[in-house]
Amino acid sequence: EAQVTQNPRYLITVTGKKLTVTCSQNMNHEYMSWYRQDPGLGLRQIYYSMNVEVTDKGDVPEGYKVSRKEKRNFPLILESPSPNQTSLYFCASSLFGTGTGGLNTEAFFGQGTRLTVV
Amino acid sequence: AQSVTQPDIHITVSEGASLELRCNYSYGATPYLFWYVQSPGQGLQLLLKYFSGDTLVQGIKGFEAEFKRSQSSFNLRKPSVHWSDAAEYFCAVGVRGATNKLIFGTGTLLAVQP
Repeated sequence: EAQVTQNPRYLITVTGKKLTVTCSQNMNHEYMSWYRQDPGLGLRQIYYSMNVEVTDKGDVPEGYKVSRKEKRNFPLILESPSPNQTSLYFCASSLFGTGTGGLNTEAFFGQGTRLTVV
Repeated sequence: AQSVTQPDIHITVSEGASLELRCNYSYGATPYLFWYVQSPGQGLQLLLKYFSGDTLVQGIKGFEAEFKRSQSSFNLRKPSVHWSDAAEYFCAVGVRGATNKLIFGTGTLLAVQP
């Protein structure tokens, strides 16, 4: 079954304690990205990756890091979490992203990780 | 700058009634447009998408949307709503080019009355 898997689904942590949210896809997609969802703001892109070892900032990258060492995995790292990073996080993948002639730009989303930083 | 506006934060309809969710976008070129649905505790699921061609697109679960370039709109419709349609709906525009991202609206929360 084609899917994007995030772990953990729920996480409560304390300010400053480093954490990693994992994301894995089994569709051989090149493009992966992270979004955060906040009430009244919709989803905003944090980071994206066009392919292995190619990552770049989205709209709200401050306080986050990512890595893409393998095609299937795209972890989100919070080195020193703060309460304003309390949010619902989604990982997404798509075959190429939206810039390739529209051949396949459907994004598949994970089920989300609800993070609370106290 | 690209943006998506969903003017209705919350809508309540009766089961069996018709539904229209509004979406307006701002984008300089021909847009890639999407509607996603998020059921409680779930991730986002693609309902339908528009890339080019026929401006009326059909999606899953009986939904359809119409692209109107003159109005910069991509409204989502369903002729008869079911209780299981209660969810949050997001309109998004795909940005072509270097950033390759989806820009989402703020969402419309749909409640269905029996």
